[in-house]
Amino acid sequence: DARVTQTPRHKVTEMGQEVTMRCQPILGHNTVFWYRQTMMQGLELLAYFRNRAPLDDSGMPKDRFSAEMPDATLATLKIQPSEPRDSAVYFCASGRGSVNTEAFFGQGTRLTVV
Amino acid sequence: AQSVTQLDSQVPVFEEAPVELRCNYSSSVSVYLFWYVQYPNQGLQLLLKYLSGSTLVKGINGFEAEFNKSQTSFHLRKPSVHISDTAEYFCAVSERKNNNDMRFGAGTRLTVKP
Repeated sequence: DARVTQTPRHKVTEMGQEVTMRCQPILGHNTVFWYRQTMMQGLELLAYFRNRAPLDDSGMPKDRFSAEMPDATLATLKIQPSEPRDSAVYFCASGRGSVNTEAFFGQGTRLTVV
Repeated sequence: AQSVTQLDSQVPVFEEAPVELRCNYSSSVSVYLFWYVQYPNQGLQLLLKYLSGSTLVKGINGFEAEFNKSQTSFHLRKPSVHISDTAEYFCAVSERKNNNDMRFGAGTRLTVKP
């Protein structure tokens, strides 16, 4: 049963600490998305990659957030330094093909910054 | 850029009653439209999608949606709901030319009461 795997599922950290969230897309999928979900803002697109190259990260605060795909099986989202306002659920999703007609979501990483 | 408005933040209904969750979109170009469902502590799961062709789209779990271009709507319907349909439902839109940029509505919480 192919699915997107995110780790960790939950993370509590102190303000100022670095946080790294990981995502393993479905094998064969060449597009990876990062979304952030909060009560106030709903689902926001942070960044997405096609064939490991970043296509758009305009939704991401550049000063503290960074997203990478070291290889086709791993995507990372880092926050350094973390702030309480970063508390949210971060979702990774993957899709395939040049025409993206469906995004498969992971279960998310619930981040709490205290 | 495209955007989505979900007109109802919460919809309470009784079991076996029909339900309609409303979604309107805004875009200057042709779009793809999606409905996703999110169960507690889970990622989003695709219910159905409109890419082209018939404007009435059938999805999983007995849901269907109708694309209305003149009204820029994509309302989700189910003739008879179950307790297990209680979840958050998200409408999403992406532009055909830039279909990786999928924008989500704020979500509608469907609560099915016995």
